[in-house]
Amino acid sequence: QITLKESGPTLVKPTQTLTLTCTFSGFSLSTTGVTVGWIRQPPGKALEWLALIYWDGDKRYSPSLESRLTITKDTSKNQVVLTMTNMDPVDTATYYCAHSDSIVDYAQDYWGQGTLVTVSS
Amino acid sequence: QSALTQPASVSGSPGQSITISCTGTNIDFGGYTYVSWYQQHPGKAPKLMIFDVSNRPSGVSNRFSGSKSGNTASLTISGLQADDEADYYCGSYTSGSTVFGTGTKVTVL
Repeated sequence: QITLKESGPTLVKPTQTLTLTCTFSGFSLSTTGVTVGWIRQPPGKALEWLALIYWDGDKRYSPSLESRLTITKDTSKNQVVLTMTNMDPVDTATYYCAHSDSIVDYAQDYWGQGTLVTVSS
Repeated sequence: QSALTQPASVSGSPGQSITISCTGTNIDFGGYTYVSWYQQHPGKAPKLMIFDVSNRPSGVSNRFSGSKSGNTASLTISGLQADDEADYYCGSYTSGSTVFGTGTKVTVL
């Protein structure tokens, strides 16, 4: 059974750096074809894809946010970490991590419950 | 990449069929591009309903079907049920990057 859970601060101040951790179980991020990604959703708005890390360590970022994002993995801990620098109130959103793999052609087939991050002074 | 374009809302009566469109560009839907669809109930995480244009994950009802023609993908829900009332998002994966649609609110009358 695949599960993912996001953790991190619920409130950050403008200009601070956000660090979110995705802890997962039921799969290994060292298995060929597996990825973990991050997606966010501002309140009442649409989903926005942020970043993806592959089993082999390859990484992809949203072009519009690439300069602010870093995604890393710790395979031994079953964790993926996303950092986002220079936070702004417009970054207030629910942040999700999600599993995908080549079997579903990299669609996000398992999602965490999401964590709401508010950016405010 | 800009978000894919979806109608803001679609509605139908129980038992009817509805279709949600998702329009992109050649970059979004050309070549080795994989289209997916997600259902999201209020306060919940999205759920994968369709991947690779028309494939259903295990456990998803066959009332949900997907197709694509040119730069437009479509999700059809047949035999509309009350629990189908939700937001629906399309997604396009290409070259390691994903872009989502603007979202469609489905209302069951």
